[in-house]
Amino acid sequence: SQQGEEDPQALSIQEGENATMNCSYKTSINNLQWYRQNSGRGLVHLILIRSNEREKHSGRLRVTLDTSKKSSSLLITASRAADTASYFCATDEGGGFKTIFGAGTRLFVKA
Amino acid sequence: GAVVSQHPSRVICKSGTSVKIECRSLDFQATTMFWYRQFPKQSLMLMATSNEGSKATYEQGVEKDKFLINHASLTLSTLTVTSAHPEDSSFYICSARLSSRATDTQYFGPGTRLTVL
Repeated sequence: SQQGEEDPQALSIQEGENATMNCSYKTSINNLQWYRQNSGRGLVHLILIRSNEREKHSGRLRVTLDTSKKSSSLLITASRAADTASYFCATDEGGGFKTIFGAGTRLFVKA
Repeated sequence: GAVVSQHPSRVICKSGTSVKIECRSLDFQATTMFWYRQFPKQSLMLMATSNEGSKATYEQGVEKDKFLINHASLTLSTLTVTSAHPEDSSFYICSARLSSRATDTQYFGPGTRLTVL
């Protein structure tokens, strides 16, 4: 099963610009997480935001969560070519026992 | 941070053979491990949840006789793709969590690329 839908599916920007990716989900959640995946590699955990939080920062990353709209956004500021990767949101489901991933956004940052 | 390893990282096999993939938590004991499958340019699809010492819970549409999961210890889970066929070719990723609580961070393995000829 897949919980989240991500928007856009693909995003191409210039180095230095900001990148915003959105994620929507269907059921109530305890937390939402964002992951990064370089092509053909494993996942890197970026940030976790709990359902009672609205915004969280980590370095150049800013995540927002709107539980009333069942949506989240990931903002990467001052993007770098090394940020080129796929980004996935993931939510807990089934009482929090398992993590379900969204479709992902493929980000390409041009140097 | 915590490390999860997978072995092998890449495997090529003939159609009809069985392939075993190992997932190990290297510096922590994982009560719960998850197996995901990822097709090219797609997201991760959860296949099953395995808890140490008990039977795995499979997601709808995943054949339990096809994908055998064993979680015999707190640091090792194995996925065996039985009688593999070309459509089973995919990137298989495991993850491990300290407990069943969703608030515990999941640590992901680097993935295993399976190619079935």
